[in-house]
Amino acid sequence: EADIYQTPRYLVIGTGKKITLECSQTMGHDKMYWYQQDPGMELHLIHYSYGVNSTEKGDLSSESTVSRIRTEHFPLTLESARPSHTSQYLCASSDQGVNYEQYFGPGTRLTVT
Amino acid sequence: AQKITQTQPGMFVQEKEAVTLDCTYDTSDPSYGLFWYKQPSSGEMIFLIYQGSYDQQNATEGRYSLNFQKARKSANLVISASQLGDSAMYFCAIGAGGGADGLTFGKGTHLIIQP
Repeated sequence: EADIYQTPRYLVIGTGKKITLECSQTMGHDKMYWYQQDPGMELHLIHYSYGVNSTEKGDLSSESTVSRIRTEHFPLTLESARPSHTSQYLCASSDQGVNYEQYFGPGTRLTVT
Repeated sequence: AQKITQTQPGMFVQEKEAVTLDCTYDTSDPSYGLFWYKQPSSGEMIFLIYQGSYDQQNATEGRYSLNFQKARKSANLVISASQLGDSAMYFCAIGAGGGADGLTFGKGTHLIIQP
């Protein structure tokens, strides 16, 4: 059973606001990921982390930033939200020493007005 | 760079029939992993099956099997005895070395199972 949590599940916010999307996992996984998905479209990798103090940019350029101060926590921040940031954001984690599955959280649907 | 191509935007299948969802890939990495995920209308991503590039046998997980043809760079998902609950989006994905640096997804296939 995957234990990866994302809050909030839904967020509607005005342009220019700073937002932080939370992602936590209780599985002790070293590797964590953020994907962005527009409705009915494919997922795009925007950030990933190999472990504490490690952050890397993904294939899709994003104005968001991430941090990894604790193994279980991988928050994503947008300093100034814009309507173009409206999307679903999915967090995932994996322990590739055991198997290759990436466990996904339920996602955050962000709408910037 | 890696790329996944799913050529079936949508499929309608009768309940209890077998379904094959197509996936072709392109990669320059000698070691890679291929994944299939299911995404119901609720939005969560459900892992179905994994195939490593050096695995000799095709992966199977219950009603799901992966038809891996390395020379043709294809990794088709086969669902046996389809059920109404199989209706969802299905995404094929690839990751170098098993996906440690994240996955590249295809555009997906919207599968609808009809009674």
